[in-house]
Amino acid sequence: GESVGLHLPTLSVQEGDNSIINCAYSNSASDYFIWYKQESGKGPQFIIDIRSNMDKRQGQRVTVLLNKTVKHLSLQIAATQPGDSAVYFCAASKTSYDKVIFGPGTSLSVIP
Amino acid sequence: GAVVSQHPSRVICKSGTSVKIECRSLDFQATTMFWYRQFPKKSLMLMATSNEGSKATYEQGVEKDKFLINHASLTLSTLTVTSAHPEDSSFYICSASPSVNNEQFFGPGTRLTVL
Repeated sequence: GESVGLHLPTLSVQEGDNSIINCAYSNSASDYFIWYKQESGKGPQFIIDIRSNMDKRQGQRVTVLLNKTVKHLSLQIAATQPGDSAVYFCAASKTSYDKVIFGPGTSLSVIP
Repeated sequence: GAVVSQHPSRVICKSGTSVKIECRSLDFQATTMFWYRQFPKKSLMLMATSNEGSKATYEQGVEKDKFLINHASLTLSTLTVTSAHPEDSSFYICSASPSVNNEQFFGPGTRLTVL
């Protein structure tokens, strides 16, 4: 089955700096990868996704990079803001419609 | 985007009682919904796949007689925690997708506390 893990459990960045959160996955059959943001006491919020036929995708202030060779995923947040403070999960699935397997999460703290 | 709601948002119950949690897709129909549980400072763990009109599919290690799932309509799935015990206290979250081309949308979660 799929196993998704993160390299670092916590990350502190200065406001305005860029944040990079890393993730590793084990199942090479995974075709769809997602990053979620979860604030305390709330459900996960979709940030950005990427399919296995891509290696980079950009959104507003966020970029996801996928390296299928080493089974590595990263989330880059540009100009990190205090509102970005949350727990970030990478997740993997066979398709966007299928069940999602979550990694352990990285807690991002933004220092004003 | 699509909206998924859960009710109640939090519930406190006595040990031995049963608790029902509802998951609704508000503006779309979902033949499949997913139930997760999350312990404090931990990740979401998939419990089961709820299938409209048929039996739920449970992940390994999840007791189907303990966590009853009913997906009676295309917009509602319910999770009943039977004979709840303090170790069942957790954050329960559901998700659903409007179509094969859409990502999963997550509900706001239900905080269950068993005394």
